[in-house]
Amino acid sequence: DAMVIQNPRYQVTQFGKPVTLSCSQTLNHNVMYWYQQKSSQAPKLLFHYYDKDFNNEADTPDNFQSRRPNTSFCFLDIRSPGLGDAAMYLCPNYEQYFGPGTRLTVT
Amino acid sequence: KQEVTQIPAALSVPEGENLVLNCSFTDSAIYNLQWFRQDPGKGLTSLLLIQSSQREQTSGRLNASLDKSSGRSTLYIAASQPGDSATYLCAVDGSSNTGKLIFGQGTTLQVKP
Repeated sequence: DAMVIQNPRYQVTQFGKPVTLSCSQTLNHNVMYWYQQKSSQAPKLLFHYYDKDFNNEADTPDNFQSRRPNTSFCFLDIRSPGLGDAAMYLCPNYEQYFGPGTRLTVT
Repeated sequence: KQEVTQIPAALSVPEGENLVLNCSFTDSAIYNLQWFRQDPGKGLTSLLLIQSSQREQTSGRLNASLDKSSGRSTLYIAASQPGDSATYLCAVDGSSNTGKLIFGQGTTLQVKP
């Protein structure tokens, strides 16, 4: 199985305090994605990776950045989280295996 | 710009009923369409994937159909069970096959024993 592991499953951060979410995958797929899903809303694509090159979607907030140091790992950095950034963050691989996600709470 | 809509937003049925969930999309130039299941607070599980050249896919009690020309897909659930209670999301991958999915907001299904 093309497993996707996201740590932690639940993350709490304070308003304005930078936070990093991590994602790893076991089959070294070239392509990975970050989606944001707010409560009762559709998942929305933030970033798209091919190898280490990434593209951010046109309406991805400026305080979101992403890093992919190698094929196995990618990170989502939120520089100054606001209350509106509270959401489930999902990083599927190219086979659209989504994994459990990380639920971010901003206090 | 592709938009995906799912109707109804919520549905409650008694156990054993057959039911249909609807998904519509505005741009018929898609590569594929997927149906996902999401349990509360969890990630997404892919149920069925229909390529643009296909009309339907079946898995167990689930059957998904695709009518590209009309921009519609349906997910048919036969003999519903309480364990089917979840949110069902449809998502389309555009014609360039980037794997970048555009999702509908989902239909939350409750199957009552």
